[in-house]
Amino acid sequence: GAGVSQSPSNKVTEKGKDVELRCDPISGHTALYWYRQRLGQGLEFLIYFQGNSAPDKSGLPSDRFSAERTGESVSTLTIQRTQQEDSAVYLCASSFGGQGATGELFFGEGSRLTVL
Amino acid sequence: LAKTTQPISMDSYEGQEVNITCSHNNIATNDYITWYQQFPSQGPRFIIQGYKTKVTNEVASLFIPADRKSSTLSLPRVSLSDTAVYYCLVGPMDSSYKLIFGSGTRLLVRP
Repeated sequence: GAGVSQSPSNKVTEKGKDVELRCDPISGHTALYWYRQRLGQGLEFLIYFQGNSAPDKSGLPSDRFSAERTGESVSTLTIQRTQQEDSAVYLCASSFGGQGATGELFFGEGSRLTVL
Repeated sequence: LAKTTQPISMDSYEGQEVNITCSHNNIATNDYITWYQQFPSQGPRFIIQGYKTKVTNEVASLFIPADRKSSTLSLPRVSLSDTAVYYCLVGPMDSSYKLIFGSGTRLLVRP
């Protein structure tokens, strides 16, 4: 597709279960970002990738959170042993980081996670 | 890491001009200033970007003083559909850095 695609759009899970959230960035975009947005709050930085490498993982809230990116394309954010405080919208954005880059972030529609 | 500060909320009426100011006192030489707009249940979207002086596009203007320690997003003649959260973001263009969003400004446009 032409934009950033995220799946699932909605996920309801039970406390203690693991979840995987997927992000398909715009083709050719080398940079990929994950943010968390709790209800009525701003965007909380989680992690970003430059290619397949994650230079900065400092935003990941705990060791239950991990992310990977393969083929300079799809990224997966995994939350293990989910807790109720993990309930939020998880937003993915991509950006063209090569020559001529503008730094503009293109966001997906987000994955809404509800932990019961 | 350039931290940004914005007003939490603003109210306006249809047809008025709205100016939202963002402070970024420790902006770096290679940082640009970008503004995003977010509607409920959607991801943020790009509005405008600038480095210095003034930039104008079809939806907004961006004013940046010479010291670049602040910037002002100007929305001319707002309508109800401009009700949204507006974020100021400071960072380099080459996506080589984590990009931290501030808390944003919640704009409410009244009839």
